[in-house]
Amino acid sequence: AQKVTQAQTEISVVEKEDVTLDCVYETRDTTYYLFWYKQPPSGELVFLIRRNSFDEQNEISGRYSWNFQKSTSSFNFTITASQVVDSAVYFCALSVSNSGYALNFGKGTSLLVTP
Amino acid sequence: DAGVIQSPRHEVTEMGQEVTLRCKPISGHNSLFWYRQTMMRGLELLIYFNNNVPIDDSGMPEDRFSAKMPNASFSTLKIQPSEPRDSAVYFCASSYRALEAFFGQGTRLTVV
Repeated sequence: AQKVTQAQTEISVVEKEDVTLDCVYETRDTTYYLFWYKQPPSGELVFLIRRNSFDEQNEISGRYSWNFQKSTSSFNFTITASQVVDSAVYFCALSVSNSGYALNFGKGTSLLVTP
Repeated sequence: DAGVIQSPRHEVTEMGQEVTLRCKPISGHNSLFWYRQTMMRGLELLIYFNNNVPIDDSGMPEDRFSAKMPNASFSTLKIQPSEPRDSAVYFCASSYRALEAFFGQGTRLTVV
């Protein structure tokens, strides 16, 4: 069975602060995929990133960066110089082939960025 | 492509009524997923289809829930009879194999 844990329920930061959202996963599969999605107050789910289990390279996209560490089963997400528009719920998810690549989501972390 | 299209966006119905939610996936995607989001349970998978065939419906809460995918461009999720505890946001998503899933805007269902 697969499990994704996002221990941080809510985080509040002041604009321009850096913030890291934690994600820990569990799976017995050797091939798996990890994702982050953003859900802004408007409610839609927006894809941010996908990594496969064989690619531990960290990734940076503008103010966003992701740190994938198989040794600790973690896939953490950092927002640098946060902005008010970053306020949203962020979900980490895991998929494996024997469940049709259906996403298994964590409970989400609600991020509030204040001016 | 217009993305995954769900209808209706909002549905308010009385307990006991039948509710049908609709989804048009992205063209070329071979997997379709129905999720439900509630405050208590978060995002949970209800059912998924591969190439229009239902593969795993173990997440469907009860026999009152059913889903169909008659062709590659359309799927429905039906609740009959509906109950207040079915109130939630229902998302449809589609993907191509292991690639990222794209979600529709969701249907906010309220059963009174």
